[in-house]
Amino acid sequence: GESVGLHLPTLSVQEGDNSIINCAYSNSASDYFIWYKQESGKGPQFIIDIRSNMDKRQGQRVTVLLNKTVKHLSLQIAATQPGDSAVYFCAEGLSGSARQLTFGSGTQLTVLP
Amino acid sequence: GAVVSQHPSRVICKSGTSVKIECRSLDFQATTMFWYRQFPKQSLMLMATSNEGSKATYEQGVEKDKFLINHASLTLSTLTVTSAHPEDSSFYICSASTTSGGHNEQFFGPGTRLTVL
Repeated sequence: GESVGLHLPTLSVQEGDNSIINCAYSNSASDYFIWYKQESGKGPQFIIDIRSNMDKRQGQRVTVLLNKTVKHLSLQIAATQPGDSAVYFCAEGLSGSARQLTFGSGTQLTVLP
Repeated sequence: GAVVSQHPSRVICKSGTSVKIECRSLDFQATTMFWYRQFPKQSLMLMATSNEGSKATYEQGVEKDKFLINHASLTLSTLTVTSAHPEDSSFYICSASTTSGGHNEQFFGPGTRLTVL
């Protein structure tokens, strides 16, 4: 999802369906990307990461796809569950001593029963 | 492993007072800690980067005299919001990074909700 003003993009999916959350990153020099999950009132929780020398990485029920040509990142969640409801942020960073991350605008995922 | 705590989790204060927020890495040594601010329905905005034993590096637009950061040890960083005003009300989140592993994963604390009346 893309950020529009102060409103988080939203995605609603039926329980059991697959979810795809998108992110456009800004720095073509970024070589490390992370997806975080943030539940209401809590800090971000690491989900999965990927380096720029890869275009796909799979975890448990999650897959991250990286398209460096168009600076696009996506998170696929298989068999979405109610506990997956949260805000999802992508973050980009540069390898090196600074270790700073720049966060995307986030997408609110709501899983419908 | 890689647990980061923050204290307090919530704080309500009067306008003009100062508030200190602690960030601790519980089971690892954090060479670098980061402080973020998050307003409702918005993303995390980096405020400053703090390295143990040195002055923090603040992002553009963040007042260093208002948001005092101290990183006195490899497991503790503090953020003090001085002379807080209602517009400082926000969710403050710290993260800690370690040099092990060779990449820049950050471990996030649970956040501190600051409300300034």
